[in-house]
Amino acid sequence: GAVVSQHPSWVICKSGTSVKIECRSLDFQATTMFWYRQFPKQSLMLMATSNEGSKATYEQGVEKDKFLINHASLTLSTLTVTSAHPEDSSFYICSAKGSTSTGYNEQFFGPGTRLTVL
Amino acid sequence: QKEVEQNSGPLSVPEGAIASLNCTYSDRVSQSFFWYRQYSGKSPELIMSIYSNGDKEDGRFTAQLNKASQYVSLLIRDSQPSDSATYLCAVKVGQNFVFGPGTRLSVLP
Repeated sequence: GAVVSQHPSWVICKSGTSVKIECRSLDFQATTMFWYRQFPKQSLMLMATSNEGSKATYEQGVEKDKFLINHASLTLSTLTVTSAHPEDSSFYICSAKGSTSTGYNEQFFGPGTRLTVL
Repeated sequence: QKEVEQNSGPLSVPEGAIASLNCTYSDRVSQSFFWYRQYSGKSPELIMSIYSNGDKEDGRFTAQLNKASQYVSLLIRDSQPSDSATYLCAVKVGQNFVFGPGTRLSVLP
């Protein structure tokens, strides 16, 4: 259980285009999903926290108009990188918060999406 | 003070030895603690969670929590080269999960 999928796993796009990344919780309902970005050899950086049916909460320094997040259902959140530029090239990872058999909320990660902007 | 701190490493241990990874946190009211393993180019994978003081064992992994000292550790017994990865400590603060910078472990054959 507790599987999170992401699509696509790798995307290459031209500068100025928009890219949408999907994050799905496959076998549990996730009221909260998180979007992270990770540059090579660096730690995870939380970009935003997304609650189903409400606006995402963005971390300081993350442009909400550039990184559009939609959490329309309990199993799906999307991140759209608008007008992508080479500096947006990174590994984008989503995670979903779900309840385990112990009753505690744990965070499960998707496999990540590698974005390369030419 | 950063909320979750870890030594960045690299921590090198010989195959078969015990690897000890440490993490300290600043929020005294935190109740949930997690260890994730991240291989290069992959996303993190949850390997242990611990919620109460003491030790929790799962196979070759033992998590240790000391809330009074605000300290959580992960021991890996009989380390294998396949354990070579970055280990992330995460602490649940309110509704958020705060990650440490990770410790890079290298198990030498």
